[in-house]
Amino acid sequence: AQRVTQPEKLLSVFKGAPVELKCNYSYSGSPELFWYVQYSRQRLQLLLRHISRESIKGFTADLNKGETSFHLKKPFAQEEDSAMYYCALKRGEGGKLIFGQGTELSVKP
Amino acid sequence: KAGVTQTPRYLIKTRGQQVTLSCSPISGHRSVSWYQQTPGQGLQFLFEYFSETQRNKGNFPGRFSGRQFSNSRSEMNVSTLELGDSALYLCASSRTGTETETQYFGPGTRLLVL
Repeated sequence: AQRVTQPEKLLSVFKGAPVELKCNYSYSGSPELFWYVQYSRQRLQLLLRHISRESIKGFTADLNKGETSFHLKKPFAQEEDSAMYYCALKRGEGGKLIFGQGTELSVKP
Repeated sequence: KAGVTQTPRYLIKTRGQQVTLSCSPISGHRSVSWYQQTPGQGLQFLFEYFSETQRNKGNFPGRFSGRQFSNSRSEMNVSTLELGDSALYLCASSRTGTETETQYFGPGTRLLVL
């Protein structure tokens, strides 16, 4: 079965510290992976996706097929990064995203 | 370009009633997906419509249904409401729903069942 696991419910770091939000998936094949972010009182929005290999707001994520992971990283966390982060997997035609449980990132001053 | 809109934003219903939620996708988007978000279960896929046809379905009981109109607007209906149906219902749209496309989410409809 396809599954996305985010082992940390809450991650708390200080401003300027590196941050890594973990995401592991189970899927036999080549999935498309995404990171979505939900800031307080805002709608869920795409942060970045595996296929684009881009850096958004200083965040990057690398797909590691051997470890079936897609961890989200940022070298220096900012207070405005505080939000809920969801890792999601999409496979095949049709808009079915499989989400992890989410990790709440809290960046303290 | 206007984003995904959902109406109403808040709803209070009682057990046994039925409810209809509406979603207007971004102009030009023909794929509309629905998700249920709860503190316990997180974000769960309900179903996806493309060109007025249900293309994907999640593991929800038959009380949950939906439809899509020719202008791509979509509605979802929940009949015989249960307390456990209290949740934030999110709608998302994309052009055609292919694997690599980004889905754009609406603000959600918060349903409270008493």
